[in-house]
Amino acid sequence: DADVTQTPRNRITKTGKRIMLECSQTKGHDRMYWYRQDPGLGLRLIYYSFDVKDINKGEISDGYSVSRQAQAKFSLSLESAIPNQTALYFCATSDGTKLETQYFGPGTRLLVL
Amino acid sequence: AQSVAQPEDQVNVAEGNPLTVKCTYSVSGNPYLFWYVQYPNRGLQFLLKYITGDNLVKGSYGFEAEFNKSQTSFHLKKPSALVSDSALYFCAVRERGDDKIIFGKGTRLHILP
Repeated sequence: DADVTQTPRNRITKTGKRIMLECSQTKGHDRMYWYRQDPGLGLRLIYYSFDVKDINKGEISDGYSVSRQAQAKFSLSLESAIPNQTALYFCATSDGTKLETQYFGPGTRLLVL
Repeated sequence: AQSVAQPEDQVNVAEGNPLTVKCTYSVSGNPYLFWYVQYPNRGLQFLLKYITGDNLVKGSYGFEAEFNKSQTSFHLKKPSALVSDSALYFCAVRERGDDKIIFGKGTRLHILP
């Protein structure tokens, strides 16, 4: 969905490096989410935010942090990347009033060597 | 805790035949249920949802799903499959009053020409 963009689309990094994945949306939604997708495991929620001052841990937040810089921007950081963080990462948004359709970005494919 | 299961990793269907992708869920209360589709190298796209009311829900691309409370199921169906329906399908559940949506592991649908 072009209304939700993610940068970079692909990233290769080394163990121990800090990296940031960025998400921007033009849908005007308050709610934003970060998921990771692994083969056979589906999507797992990392963090979510219901407004700029509201950040919540999801199912698998260890090793990750987030920043909600504005309503439209939600960044995911890996403080010290490790190989098992190799995955496909998705950002999603929802408006919370339409119970609860989420709109996904195109994903960031991350490889940690 | 809420959970969702997609018992089939892969479903193969001949073009023109009806298709079913299975989903069962577990929640303490009343559920919101969703189906999403993921095409190669794309983010997830919303297909349909059950919130309340009619147990048969119609969605995009000719898909429909039936909410069955007694069997705690929400199977995705289409009367006549197209090759272009080949994709990865995710069922998701949200329990009313909970902030988070839980996704299944996904079912890969192959439509054979």
